[in-house]
Amino acid sequence: EAGVAQSPRYKIIEKRQSVAFWCNPISGHATLYWYQQILGQGPKLLIQFQNNGVVDDSQLPKDRFSAERLKGVDSTLKIQPAKLEDSAVYLCASSSDLTASTDTQYFGPGTRLTVL
Amino acid sequence: AQSVSQHNHHVILSEAASLELGCNYSYGGTVNLFWYVQYPGQHLQLLLKYFSGDPLVKGIKGFEAEFIKSKFSFNLRKPSVQWSDTAEYFCAVNAASTSGTYKYIFGTGTRLKVLA
Repeated sequence: EAGVAQSPRYKIIEKRQSVAFWCNPISGHATLYWYQQILGQGPKLLIQFQNNGVVDDSQLPKDRFSAERLKGVDSTLKIQPAKLEDSAVYLCASSSDLTASTDTQYFGPGTRLTVL
Repeated sequence: AQSVSQHNHHVILSEAASLELGCNYSYGGTVNLFWYVQYPGQHLQLLLKYFSGDPLVKGIKGFEAEFIKSKFSFNLRKPSVQWSDTAEYFCAVNAASTSGTYKYIFGTGTRLKVLA
């Protein structure tokens, strides 16, 4: 079974530029998550999708971050414009259960973003 | 607000030593509890989880965790660590939000280094 795929793996941009990350979850997984992990901290949930609908985006800075999951499969996360404090690893995860309460999350390798 | 605390940020042990990593959470309702591990150069992966039944949960690679509801704790244990257990360990709580959806909250992680 193929795992969660993410690209790019690394990205360096200057502040005020825009950037986009892509995630392809495990086939058939209904729930998809985007996390931000700042160095020295645990992953922080940014947004959770069930199929192509948003379940929770309460911690997504909506003035600069956006995410979509068209057709309930792949997802993109965009930052526009980026700030220095956005430097972090962006993790994508997926799980098969629609209720997403007890189900295991499967994580991708992450995208390491550096904002200069 | 819900939170997860991992009190040990860095732990160094010799091989064969016993391990206990603390995890406490703040939430009064029903929770599902997880330990995830990230080995060097690898993705985050599930170590074990608890959502009901026997509060002593056994996971992969000889790890176990005990849910003590009265202490809001879910500590991870292993009787004898190996060099290959060197990794970062994250405790996570999945609890129902006010909207009825389940939200994952991760602790800040504990870096374990096992000396051969």
